[in-house]
Amino acid sequence: EAQVTQNPRYLITVTGKKLTVTCSQNMNHEYMSWYRQDPGLGLRQIYYSMNVEVTDKGDVPEGYKVSRKEKRNFPLILESPSPNQTSLYFCASSPLGGATDTQYFGPGTRLTVL
Amino acid sequence: GENVEQHPSTLSVQEGDSAVIKCTYSDSASNYFPWYKQELGKGPQLIIDIRSNVGEKKDQRIAVTLNKTAKHFSLHITETQPEDSAVYFCAVEYGNKLVFGAGTILRVKS
Repeated sequence: EAQVTQNPRYLITVTGKKLTVTCSQNMNHEYMSWYRQDPGLGLRQIYYSMNVEVTDKGDVPEGYKVSRKEKRNFPLILESPSPNQTSLYFCASSPLGGATDTQYFGPGTRLTVL
Repeated sequence: GENVEQHPSTLSVQEGDSAVIKCTYSDSASNYFPWYKQELGKGPQLIIDIRSNVGEKKDQRIAVTLNKTAKHFSLHITETQPEDSAVYFCAVEYGNKLVFGAGTILRVKS
């Protein structure tokens, strides 16, 4: 089944404890991105990647890191999480068209930073 | 800067009525305008999109209209059904980025 998977789905952590949220897609898509969803603010793009080893900042990149060493994986890293990073996170992938093509979203990761 | 405004934030309609959600954007160079539907506990899913070379696109009960001059586009849902209840997001392509509106909670009352 073609899909985007994220792990973990739920995570409660404490301020300053490094964490990684994994994202994997099995559709051979070039473009991958991370969004955070907050009430009243919609989906805001954190980082995106046009292809392997190519990443760029979205609208809210502060406090996050990403890497794209393989085409299928695009992990999101929070080196020192803070409470304002409590949010619902979505990974998405898209074929060659990138931002001008259908985005396939994962099921989401709900992160709470205490 | 890149901006997408979406209205209304919540919309309640009676089953069978129509629903309209409108988005405005800031960059006249944008050419791709998708709409996503998010059901409870799930990721958003594309329901319809439009590119700047057309003014309207339909898919059964849903349609999108685009006014490039005025820089706004709208989602139209006719004959609404309870399963249309969800959060709807518009989005606008700005180069390699996709910028989303804040979302509209649609409630269809039966």
